[in-house]
Amino acid sequence: DSGVTQTPKHLITATGQRVTLRCSPRSGDLSVYWYQQSLDQGLQFLIQYYNGEERAKGNILERFSAQQFPDLHSELNLSSLELGDSALYFCASSVAQGGEQFFGPGTRLTVL
Amino acid sequence: QKEVEQDPGPLSVPEGAIVSLNCTYSNSAFQYFMWYRQYSRKGPELLMYTYSSGNKEDGRFTAQVDKSSKYISLFIRDSQPSDSATYLCAMRGTNAGKSTFGDGTTLTVKP
Repeated sequence: DSGVTQTPKHLITATGQRVTLRCSPRSGDLSVYWYQQSLDQGLQFLIQYYNGEERAKGNILERFSAQQFPDLHSELNLSSLELGDSALYFCASSVAQGGEQFFGPGTRLTVL
Repeated sequence: QKEVEQDPGPLSVPEGAIVSLNCTYSNSAFQYFMWYRQYSRKGPELLMYTYSSGNKEDGRFTAQVDKSSKYISLFIRDSQPSDSATYLCAMRGTNAGKSTFGDGTTLTVKP
């Protein structure tokens, strides 16, 4: 158990819908990272927050957004969902801006 | 061309064998190098975390980094069936939070 928690574990929804994925970092970690893992692609970095501020952005679609709250938990919002958004979404956290990243168990999103 | 290249395998070895997993990369700014183990698309588990060139050993695992060749390796000694998983290499620059991952190598250790 890495200490990073993610909810929900599984999410099944329809195209065009909007969902919110939640992540709680390890105690003491200030950075949160979101990654997407599709069957045909490896882990793709989406976005990083550090102590509430966006610090790095990867190939995140405009339909996706994220934020980190004062209690340091983070939410990833996915809207206007398409079939191709079906994937595992992982959250990771680290103490500082960089450093060792510890991953949560992931949320498996299925878009029908 | 991808920044990080990793042979997807699959790699199958008998129990007790020494396993060698490798990644090459193109970005000379990478300074931190990691190896993760991922079981059946569960959350990746950090195995090794190294800085710059050199070797690092932790139990049955040894990580090697050769920055001059832009090549990193993970060796697993006395491999066990429980080592069967996908192994992901990852790397990042000094001030970068973002890590770039290889696509993973699937390893099966047969009893």
